[in-house]
Amino acid sequence: GNSVTQMEGPVTLSEEAFLTINCTYTATGYPSLFWYVQYPGEGLQLLLKATKADDKGSNKGFEATYRKETTSFHLEKGSVQVSDSAVYFCALSDPTGAGSYQLTFGKGTKLSVIP
Amino acid sequence: GAVVSQHPSWVICKSGTSVKIECRSLDFQATTMFWYRQFPKQSLMLMATSNEGSKATYEQGVEKDKFLINHASLTLSTLTVTSAHPEDSSFYICSAPTGQMNTEAFFGQGTRLTVV
Repeated sequence: GNSVTQMEGPVTLSEEAFLTINCTYTATGYPSLFWYVQYPGEGLQLLLKATKADDKGSNKGFEATYRKETTSFHLEKGSVQVSDSAVYFCALSDPTGAGSYQLTFGKGTKLSVIP
Repeated sequence: GAVVSQHPSWVICKSGTSVKIECRSLDFQATTMFWYRQFPKQSLMLMATSNEGSKATYEQGVEKDKFLINHASLTLSTLTVTSAHPEDSSFYICSAPTGQMNTEAFFGQGTRLTVV
């Protein structure tokens, strides 16, 4: 079956530090890959996505590249801000059949950025 | 982008009562919606897939008689927690796929349920 493994947190960084959150996946087909962010007490928001190998998703200074050879989709940001403090989820989609769609999530990584 | 609205955002109820949570797709139609449960400091656990016009598909270990799902229209799915108990207290989130080939999912803002 499909699975997503992401680095366990919590991760604590100082403002302007470089961020990497590792994510690897196992899938039987050709999934799309996502990073979602969850701020305290809220639902999930799509941060970025990539739908095929070598695609790079980017948004708000965050980037992730779909690496099929290493089955990875690591999230990076060059300079984090306090407002980036949240829980980040790596996920994959595996369309199974016509009109069907389901997300498999990693366990989430909590990021805390301190001034 | 697409918007999924979930209501209420939080609810407190007494043990033994039932609570209904609504999930609406505001600017698109969703034949499928997903209901997740999130425990503190944990990932999202898929509970069930809600299908418009047919029965919901429940994940293994989820009690279908306790968590009633109704997909009344192409824009509304409801989750009713029946005879709630304190152990049902959790954060419940719905999502709906959209976009070309259903490659995107948009999430509601979540509902914090507390059973006292």
